[in-house]
Amino acid sequence: AQSVTQLGSHVSVSEGALVLLRCNYSSSVPPYLFWYVQYPNQGLQLLLKYTSAATLVKGINGFEAEFKKSETSFHLTKPSAHMSDAAEYFCAVSKYRNDMRFGAGTRLTVKP
Amino acid sequence: DGGITQSPKYLFRKEGQNVTLSCEQNLNHDAMYWYRQDPGQGLRLIYYSQIVNDFQKGDIAEGYSVSREKKESFPLTVTSAQKNPTAFYLCASRTATGTGNRTYGYTFGSGTRLTVV
Repeated sequence: AQSVTQLGSHVSVSEGALVLLRCNYSSSVPPYLFWYVQYPNQGLQLLLKYTSAATLVKGINGFEAEFKKSETSFHLTKPSAHMSDAAEYFCAVSKYRNDMRFGAGTRLTVKP
Repeated sequence: DGGITQSPKYLFRKEGQNVTLSCEQNLNHDAMYWYRQDPGQGLRLIYYSQIVNDFQKGDIAEGYSVSREKKESFPLTVTSAQKNPTAFYLCASRTATGTGNRTYGYTFGSGTRLTVV
């Protein structure tokens, strides 16, 4: 079964600095990959998704992610962090419709 | 506005009690899901349903039960057999976007936090 590993349960950056959240996947076939964001006591909101149309995917709020098959990675980046980006981020993988699996999450802290 | 409504937002359960978490969607989505979220463990799939009157166990179904009598509703019952029910529970439904049947994403409700007292 496919799975994802998020490297780093906590990431702290300064406001204006680069945000890099790491995600590696394992899948026997080309997967579909997602990044979600969760604010405290709320549900998950889709940031972006990779569905094989393009390896560089742009999402909402200035985030983007690049699918690298050779590295089995789908890292999330944002050039300049904003205080409002502080949240928990989840990487997810799916091969079929009902098998979405989530990583353990990375909590992003943004320092002023 | 279309979306998923989970209620209540906070729920307290006594030992040995069954409790039911509500999930309603007006998105006309066929598939619905229940996830459990624990700190440091991400989301784990409890049950899912692709059509009315049909549902499948996920990875951690023991101690839980569901029903799908209406397309819009997918309630989750946490039974007394679930020994560690304190968690954040999220309901989701599946949307189909883009071309082809594999470009899709999930829409999530705002969750129910269940605490055993």
